[in-house]
Amino acid sequence: AQKITQTQPGMFVQEKEAVTLDCTYDTSDPSYGLFWYKQPSSGEMIFLIYQGSYDQQNATEGRYSLNFQKARKSANLVISASQLGDSAMYFCAMRETPDSNYQLIWGAGTKLIIKP
Amino acid sequence: EAQVTQNPRYLITVTGKKLTVTCSQNMNHEYMSWYRQDPGLGLRQIYYSMNVEVTDKGDVPEGYKVSRKEKRNFPLILESPSPNQTSLYFCASSRAYGQGASQPQHFGDGTRLSIL
Repeated sequence: AQKITQTQPGMFVQEKEAVTLDCTYDTSDPSYGLFWYKQPSSGEMIFLIYQGSYDQQNATEGRYSLNFQKARKSANLVISASQLGDSAMYFCAMRETPDSNYQLIWGAGTKLIIKP
Repeated sequence: EAQVTQNPRYLITVTGKKLTVTCSQNMNHEYMSWYRQDPGLGLRQIYYSMNVEVTDKGDVPEGYKVSRKEKRNFPLILESPSPNQTSLYFCASSRAYGQGASQPQHFGDGTRLSIL
Protein backbone atom coordinates (compact mmCIF):
# COMPACT_ATOMS: atom_id res chain seq x y z
CA ALA A 1 0.00 0.00 0.00
CA GLN A 2 1.14 3.51 -0.75
CA LYS A 3 2.45 5.29 2.30
CA ILE A 4 2.32 8.72 0.70
CA THR A 5 -0.37 9.56 -1.83
CA GLN A 6 -0.47 12.68 -3.93
CA THR A 7 -3.67 12.46 -5.94
CA GLN A 8 -3.03 15.39 -8.27
CA PRO A 9 -0.53 14.49 -11.00
CA GLY A 10 -0.80 18.02 -12.38
CA MET A 11 -2.44 21.36 -11.69
CA PHE A 12 -2.88 24.63 -13.55
CA VAL A 13 -3.44 27.71 -11.41
CA GLN A 14 -3.79 31.37 -12.28
CA GLU A 15 -1.05 33.63 -10.97
CA LYS A 16 -1.83 35.26 -7.60
CA GLU A 17 -4.38 32.63 -6.69
CA ALA A 18 -3.87 30.35 -3.68
CA VAL A 19 -2.98 26.72 -4.37
CA THR A 20 -3.59 23.61 -2.31
CA LEU A 21 -1.55 20.51 -3.08
CA ASP A 22 -2.93 17.35 -1.54
CA CYS A 23 -1.00 14.76 0.42
CA THR A 24 -2.33 11.85 2.42
CA TYR A 25 -0.17 9.45 4.32
CA ASP A 26 -0.41 6.09 5.98
CA THR A 27 1.42 5.16 9.15
CA SER A 28 0.68 3.41 12.41
CA ASP A 29 3.62 5.09 14.11
CA PRO A 30 2.60 7.89 16.51
CA SER A 31 5.86 9.75 15.86
CA TYR A 32 6.54 10.95 12.36
CA GLY A 33 7.42 14.00 10.34
CA LEU A 34 6.03 15.32 7.10
CA PHE A 35 8.05 17.32 4.61
CA TRP A 36 7.33 19.16 1.41
CA TYR A 37 9.96 19.69 -1.26
CA LYS A 38 9.92 21.68 -4.49
CA GLN A 39 11.73 20.53 -7.62
CA PRO A 40 11.98 23.16 -10.36
CA SER A 41 12.70 22.19 -13.94
CA SER A 42 16.41 22.70 -13.24
CA GLY A 43 16.21 19.55 -11.11
CA GLU A 44 17.39 20.50 -7.64
CA MET A 45 15.34 19.48 -4.60
CA ILE A 46 14.42 22.38 -2.33
CA PHE A 47 13.04 21.90 1.19
CA LEU A 48 9.91 24.00 1.84
CA ILE A 49 8.24 23.10 5.11
CA TYR A 50 8.10 20.53 7.91
CA GLN A 51 5.30 19.32 10.22
CA GLY A 52 5.87 17.01 13.17
CA SER A 53 3.14 14.63 14.28
CA TYR A 54 3.10 16.13 17.77
CA ASP A 55 3.13 19.75 16.64
CA GLN A 56 0.05 21.55 17.88
CA GLN A 57 0.14 24.30 15.30
CA ASN A 58 0.12 24.04 11.53
CA ALA A 59 3.55 24.86 10.12
CA THR A 60 4.06 28.06 8.15
CA GLU A 61 7.05 29.35 6.19
CA GLY A 62 6.45 32.59 4.34
CA ARG A 63 3.89 31.93 1.60
CA TYR A 64 3.85 28.23 2.42
CA SER A 65 1.62 26.69 5.04
CA LEU A 66 0.74 23.13 5.85
CA ASN A 67 -2.88 22.17 6.50
CA PHE A 68 -2.28 19.27 8.87
CA GLN A 69 -5.32 17.13 9.66
CA LYS A 70 -3.97 14.32 11.77
CA ALA A 71 -7.19 12.33 12.13
CA ARG A 72 -7.61 12.32 8.35
CA LYS A 73 -3.90 11.67 7.82
CA SER A 74 -3.57 14.54 5.45
CA ALA A 75 -0.85 17.17 5.14
CA ASN A 76 -1.80 19.50 2.33
CA LEU A 77 0.56 22.25 1.21
CA VAL A 78 -1.00 25.66 0.72
CA ILE A 79 0.80 28.28 -1.35
CA SER A 80 -0.69 31.72 -0.98
CA ALA A 81 -0.57 34.32 -3.76
CA SER A 82 1.08 32.04 -6.30
CA GLN A 83 3.87 33.34 -8.50
CA LEU A 84 5.23 32.22 -11.86
CA GLY A 85 8.33 30.95 -10.08
CA ASP A 86 6.19 28.49 -8.15
CA SER A 87 5.84 26.36 -11.28
CA ALA A 88 7.59 23.11 -10.36
CA MET A 89 7.10 19.56 -9.15
CA TYR A 90 6.10 19.32 -5.51
CA PHE A 91 6.78 16.26 -3.40
CA CYS A 92 5.34 15.26 -0.07
CA ALA A 93 7.51 12.97 2.05
CA MET A 94 7.27 11.28 5.43
CA ARG A 95 9.81 10.13 7.93
CA GLU A 96 8.68 7.71 10.63
CA THR A 97 10.18 7.15 14.07
CA PRO A 98 13.54 8.56 15.08
CA ASP A 99 14.70 4.98 15.53
CA SER A 100 14.17 4.23 11.87
CA ASN A 101 16.87 4.69 9.28
CA TYR A 102 15.74 8.29 8.80
CA GLN A 103 14.50 7.28 5.39
CA LEU A 104 12.15 9.66 3.68
CA ILE A 105 9.19 7.97 2.00
CA TRP A 106 8.11 9.96 -1.03
CA GLY A 107 4.91 10.59 -2.91
CA ALA A 108 4.88 10.56 -6.71
CA GLY A 109 4.64 14.34 -6.87
CA THR A 110 2.34 17.01 -8.28
CA LYS A 111 3.34 19.14 -11.23
CA LEU A 112 2.17 22.69 -10.64
CA ILE A 113 2.00 25.17 -13.50
CA ILE A 114 1.22 28.80 -12.74
CA LYS A 115 -0.45 30.65 -15.61
CA PRO A 116 0.20 34.37 -16.11
CA GLU B 1 27.70 28.20 2.45
CA ALA B 2 26.07 24.98 3.66
CA GLN B 3 25.78 22.61 0.77
CA VAL B 4 25.82 19.12 -0.63
CA THR B 5 28.02 18.82 -3.70
CA GLN B 6 27.64 16.06 -6.26
CA ASN B 7 29.86 15.36 -9.21
CA PRO B 8 29.47 14.94 -12.07
CA ARG B 9 26.20 16.71 -12.85
CA TYR B 10 25.82 14.83 -16.12
CA LEU B 11 27.39 11.65 -17.41
CA ILE B 12 26.81 9.52 -20.47
CA THR B 13 28.66 6.24 -20.41
CA VAL B 14 28.46 2.66 -21.67
CA THR B 15 27.35 -0.58 -20.13
CA GLY B 16 29.91 -2.20 -17.90
CA LYS B 17 32.26 0.74 -17.43
CA LYS B 18 32.71 1.33 -13.71
CA LEU B 19 31.80 4.80 -12.52
CA THR B 20 31.71 6.74 -9.28
CA VAL B 21 29.47 9.65 -8.37
CA THR B 22 30.96 11.70 -5.58
CA CYS B 23 29.02 13.41 -2.82
CA SER B 24 30.39 15.77 -0.22
CA GLN B 25 28.67 17.81 2.49
CA ASN B 26 30.08 20.60 4.66
CA MET B 27 27.45 20.61 7.42
CA ASN B 28 28.98 17.90 9.62
CA HIS B 29 25.86 15.78 9.12
CA GLU B 30 25.87 12.22 10.39
CA TYR B 31 23.24 10.93 7.98
CA MET B 32 23.79 10.68 4.26
CA SER B 33 21.71 8.97 1.63
CA TRP B 34 21.52 8.22 -2.07
CA TYR B 35 18.27 8.30 -4.02
CA ARG B 36 17.34 7.69 -7.59
CA GLN B 37 14.45 9.47 -9.22
CA ASP B 38 12.53 7.97 -12.11
CA PRO B 39 9.39 9.41 -13.74
CA GLY B 40 6.20 8.48 -11.89
CA LEU B 41 8.10 6.71 -9.10
CA GLY B 42 9.16 9.59 -6.87
CA LEU B 43 12.48 9.13 -5.10
CA ARG B 44 13.68 5.73 -4.02
CA GLN B 45 16.47 5.22 -1.56
CA ILE B 46 19.49 3.25 -2.74
CA TYR B 47 21.80 3.27 0.28
CA TYR B 48 22.16 5.31 3.41
CA SER B 49 24.74 5.90 6.12
CA MET B 50 24.10 6.82 9.72
CA ASN B 51 27.74 7.72 10.36
CA VAL B 52 31.31 6.93 9.35
CA GLU B 53 31.76 3.26 8.47
CA VAL B 54 28.02 2.61 8.99
CA THR B 55 26.10 1.98 5.77
CA ASP B 56 22.99 0.02 4.92
CA LYS B 57 20.76 -0.85 2.00
CA GLY B 58 17.74 1.17 1.06
CA ASP B 59 14.90 0.01 -1.15
CA VAL B 60 16.80 -0.41 -4.43
CA PRO B 61 20.45 -1.29 -3.65
CA GLU B 62 21.06 -3.84 -6.44
CA GLY B 63 23.91 -2.83 -8.71
CA TYR B 64 25.27 -0.13 -6.40
CA LYS B 65 27.94 0.15 -3.75
CA VAL B 66 28.77 2.90 -1.29
CA SER B 67 31.41 3.68 1.28
CA ARG B 68 31.67 6.14 4.15
CA LYS B 69 35.30 6.48 5.16
CA GLU B 70 34.97 10.14 6.12
CA LYS B 71 32.01 11.96 7.57
CA ARG B 72 31.75 14.46 4.73
CA ASN B 73 31.96 12.07 1.77
CA PHE B 74 29.59 9.37 0.56
CA PRO B 75 30.44 8.17 -2.96
CA LEU B 76 28.08 6.02 -5.01
CA ILE B 77 29.78 3.34 -7.08
CA LEU B 78 28.32 1.52 -10.07
CA GLU B 79 30.70 -1.40 -10.63
CA SER B 80 29.10 -2.57 -13.88
CA PRO B 81 26.46 -0.07 -14.97
CA SER B 82 23.50 -1.23 -17.01
CA PRO B 83 20.88 0.73 -18.99
CA ASN B 84 18.26 0.25 -16.24
CA GLN B 85 20.44 2.42 -14.02
CA THR B 86 19.84 5.40 -16.26
CA SER B 87 18.27 7.87 -13.88
CA LEU B 88 18.56 11.10 -11.94
CA TYR B 89 20.54 10.54 -8.75
CA PHE B 90 20.47 12.63 -5.59
CA CYS B 91 22.70 12.65 -2.59
CA ALA B 92 21.22 14.04 0.62
CA SER B 93 22.39 14.66 4.17
CA SER B 94 20.88 15.59 7.52
CA ARG B 95 21.51 15.39 11.21
CA ALA B 96 20.73 11.94 12.59
CA TYR B 97 20.59 12.12 16.33
CA GLY B 98 18.75 14.27 18.80
CA GLN B 99 16.64 16.56 16.63
CA GLY B 100 17.57 14.63 13.52
CA ALA B 101 14.13 13.21 12.88
CA SER B 102 12.69 16.67 12.40
CA GLN B 103 15.53 17.97 10.28
CA PRO B 104 15.06 18.24 6.54
CA GLN B 105 17.42 16.44 4.28
CA HIS B 106 19.62 18.74 2.24
CA PHE B 107 20.01 17.65 -1.34
CA GLY B 108 22.73 17.99 -3.90
CA ASP B 109 21.82 19.33 -7.33
CA GLY B 110 21.50 15.87 -8.81
CA THR B 111 23.46 13.76 -11.29
CA ARG B 112 21.88 12.72 -14.56
CA LEU B 113 23.31 9.37 -15.60
CA SER B 114 22.71 7.82 -19.01
CA ILE B 115 23.98 4.28 -19.48
CA LEU B 116 24.03 3.24 -23.14
